Amino acid sequence: DAGVTQSPTHLIKTRGQQVTLRCSPKSGHDTVSWYQQALGQGPQFIFQYYEEEERQRGNFPDRFSGHQFPNYSSELNVNALLLGDSALYLCASSAGQPTDTQYFGPGTRLTVL
Amino acid sequence: GQQLNQSPQSMFIQEGEDVSMNCTSSSIFNTWLWYKQDPGEGPVLLIALYKAGELTSNGRLTAQFGITRKDSFLNISASIPSDVGIYFCAGIYTNAGKSTFGDGTTLTVKP
Repeated sequence: DAGVTQSPTHLIKTRGQQVTLRCSPKSGHDTVSWYQQALGQGPQFIFQYYEEEERQRGNFPDRFSGHQFPNYSSELNVNALLLGDSALYLCASSAGQPTDTQYFGPGTRLTVL
Repeated sequence: GQQLNQSPQSMFIQEGEDVSMNCTSSSIFNTWLWYKQDPGEGPVLLIALYKAGELTSNGRLTAQFGITRKDSFLNISASIPSDVGIYFCAGIYTNAGKSTFGDGTTLTVKP
């Protein structure tokens, strides 16, 4: 049973560029959440997708957008990258109810130069 | 917004010792979760708590959901070197659809 998978593992971009990160949820899960984890801090909620729509959003600017596909996989897009966007981006999947436990992927390490 | 205060920030203990860490919030949560994160990995769920006052064990780990719903603690008994890592608490408020995380407790176990 495959867990949550994310790609790529690492990514280096320069300021102003755009990036797309990808996530495949755990088998049987239909909800995907994205988190940003800065060095030395806990994950911060970006948004959650369910039934191909954004269900909840954290305090992140519109430069952060996402998408969920019919197979429940998801993408996180960040436009106009800033140095402060450098972080580990985590995807978590769950079974659908808002309080269902989330299982995390290994993350994508984004470095913005 | 909701914020979790996790303490201590770091711990250095001898193998075999017991460990205790806790998490407090100014807001109530309906679910408390404890995760462990190893370097280069995503957080791995250790224990989930769904009811105020609930005490749950997972091997050498025991966690409790505070009766005020504003706090939780995690105990690790008889620590071993593989317990090294960062432990995060997280809270979920009903229908919020997101987990709010603390900033973690870094555990170092000396053999």
